[in-house]
Amino acid sequence: GENVEQHPSTLSVQEGDSAVIKCTYSDSASNYFPWYKQELGKRPQLIIDIRSNVGEKKDQRIAVTLNKTAKHFSLHITETQPEDSAVYFCAAPPDARGQNFVFGPGTRLSVLP
Amino acid sequence: GAGVSQSPSNKVTEKGKDVELRCDPISGHTALYWYRQSLGQGLEFLIYFQGNSAPDKSGLPSDRFSAERTGGSVSTLTIQRTQQEDSAVYLCASSGAGLAGRTTDTQYFGPGTRLTVL
Repeated sequence: GENVEQHPSTLSVQEGDSAVIKCTYSDSASNYFPWYKQELGKRPQLIIDIRSNVGEKKDQRIAVTLNKTAKHFSLHITETQPEDSAVYFCAAPPDARGQNFVFGPGTRLSVLP
Repeated sequence: GAGVSQSPSNKVTEKGKDVELRCDPISGHTALYWYRQSLGQGLEFLIYFQGNSAPDKSGLPSDRFSAERTGGSVSTLTIQRTQQEDSAVYLCASSGAGLAGRTTDTQYFGPGTRLTVL
């Protein structure tokens, strides 16, 4: 089945710096890649997603890049702010045998003031 | 409703008791998912519904766990004879229909039910 790895598991950056989180997936047929942000005690919420027909998508300070050949996609946060501190999860759709999304293990991002 | 809702928000039970958790998906969403999240951990997939059928039950931890969905809408997750290791936040998510049965749409999460088994 689909296997999603996510790195790093924890990341600390100074306010104003950039943060990059990378995910790799195994099923080359995967075609939709969302990123979720989960603040402490709250539900995961979609922050950005990308479909396989594009290589990059940007929304203000957040961007996602996709490399289908290498089967990895990355979340980029620029000009980080303390409110960006949260756990970030990537996900990939299932392979042909399954129907559930497979989530990465999460990255805990801390933005230090 | 405007979003996915879950009830109860918190449930404290004694070991050995049965519990039932409820999820109301976004109106019109055909796909519904249940996940479990232990403190500080990632999302553990439990079960997925497409309409009323559950094509993927592979994540259910044991036969004490079961789920059903009626009318293509509300779903209930039942845990029988609860154990302390069942303590976690149970999250429900829903999404629209995918193409050819494959799920490609964004999942929207409910607020979760925090289950504590004493």
